[in-house]
Amino acid sequence: KAGVTQTPRYLIKTRGQQVTLSCSPISGHRSVSWYQQTPGQGLQFLFEYFSETQRNKGNFPGRFSGRQFSNSRSEMNVSTLELGDSALYLCASSQRTGGFEQYFGPGTRLTVT
Amino acid sequence: SQQGEEDPQALSIQEGENATMNCSYKTSINNLQWYRQNSGRGLVHLILIRSNEREKHSGRLRVTLDTSKKSSSLLITASRAADTASYFCATDRAVRTSGSRLTFGEGTQLTVNP
Repeated sequence: KAGVTQTPRYLIKTRGQQVTLSCSPISGHRSVSWYQQTPGQGLQFLFEYFSETQRNKGNFPGRFSGRQFSNSRSEMNVSTLELGDSALYLCASSQRTGGFEQYFGPGTRLTVT
Repeated sequence: SQQGEEDPQALSIQEGENATMNCSYKTSINNLQWYRQNSGRGLVHLILIRSNEREKHSGRLRVTLDTSKKSSSLLITASRAADTASYFCATDRAVRTSGSRLTFGEGTQLTVNP
């Protein structure tokens, strides 16, 4: 099976812009979670989607949003970018929600200038 | 904020030696997972141990879990240079109805010298 894929892999944006990141889970996986990784804060949970519904949300401002489509693919959007949003954004998929192995994609490296 | 702490923050050993990394956490959990990350890339899932399990093996990896002490350890035996990476523990408090949410430790940077 193909692994989790994320596009784009690298992105440079300017403060104030918005960005959309995409994640395709492993075939058959219905849960998709998003994480942000920065040197200062480490790995932090953003949100989880299962069957097109947001199941969990981390402590991030409303500028961070996401959605999941009927084919389980997911997108996350960050509006009004700030310098502090520069990070590696990781997507993970799991067969089901609620306590199963999560398999991560390679990440999208976002740089905000 | 991070749920747990990992110890040590950095570990440097010679090829063939064993490497032990520890993870402590603060709340009750459903499971604990260990991941490896090479140099800013994606995380590779290593092993999942559930709260009712005490020990689990996978190849050269051995994970223990002590829920009374809220701690876990990852042992890599007969280490190789290719094991050089950052290792993270992540706890999941999930129950089937509440969804998943991994809380990561700060990680241990393991360097295996040839």
